[in-house]
Amino acid sequence: GDSVTQMEGPVTLSEEAFLTINCTYTATGYPSLFWYVQYPGEGLQLLLKATKADDKGSNKGFEATYRKETTSFHLEKGSVQVSDSAVYFCALRGMDSNYQLIWGAGTKLIIKP
Amino acid sequence: GAGVSQSPSNKVTEKGKDVELRCDPISGHTALYWYRQSLGQGLEFLIYFQGNSAPDKSGLPSDRFSAERTGGSVSTLTIQRTQQEDSAVYLCASSLGPSRTGELFFGEGSRLTVL
Repeated sequence: GDSVTQMEGPVTLSEEAFLTINCTYTATGYPSLFWYVQYPGEGLQLLLKATKADDKGSNKGFEATYRKETTSFHLEKGSVQVSDSAVYFCALRGMDSNYQLIWGAGTKLIIKP
Repeated sequence: GAGVSQSPSNKVTEKGKDVELRCDPISGHTALYWYRQSLGQGLEFLIYFQGNSAPDKSGLPSDRFSAERTGGSVSTLTIQRTQQEDSAVYLCASSLGPSRTGELFFGEGSRLTVL
């Protein structure tokens, strides 16, 4: 079945560092791919998405490119801030579903000033 | 309301008791989802509603778990005879409708602790 694998956390970086959180997936065809973020004390919210190969999703300085050849959707940001500290979840929705999301385990990001 | 509302935010109960968790989705959202989030784990799908119907309840862990949705709006997740392994954060989400590309909007969750 479909699955999502994320790098384990926590990931600890200094402010203004470059961020990469790896996400790879297993799915048939062309799933839709998502990054959700959960800030402390808040509900999960959509950060960005990509729905076809080579698409780049971007929001709040974060980017992720849908790479079919490597089945990856890595999250990147050029210069992180303390306010980016949160848990980040990679997820996919397969071609045979219009509602079911398959989730990664989440990666906790800690940014130190 | 403006967002998805869940109550209670925290619930501590004794093993064997029944609990009810409530979710009030965004107005106009026809799709509603329940997930369970255990410490250090991803989100575990429990049940999906489209309107008042539940076409997929495959994620409910046992027959102690049930959910209903009335009036195409509020949903209640009921756990009977709670066990310690039921301790987790229960998340509710809603969306405009089923969609391969659509966004889910989440509540802040109900943290359940079973002693």
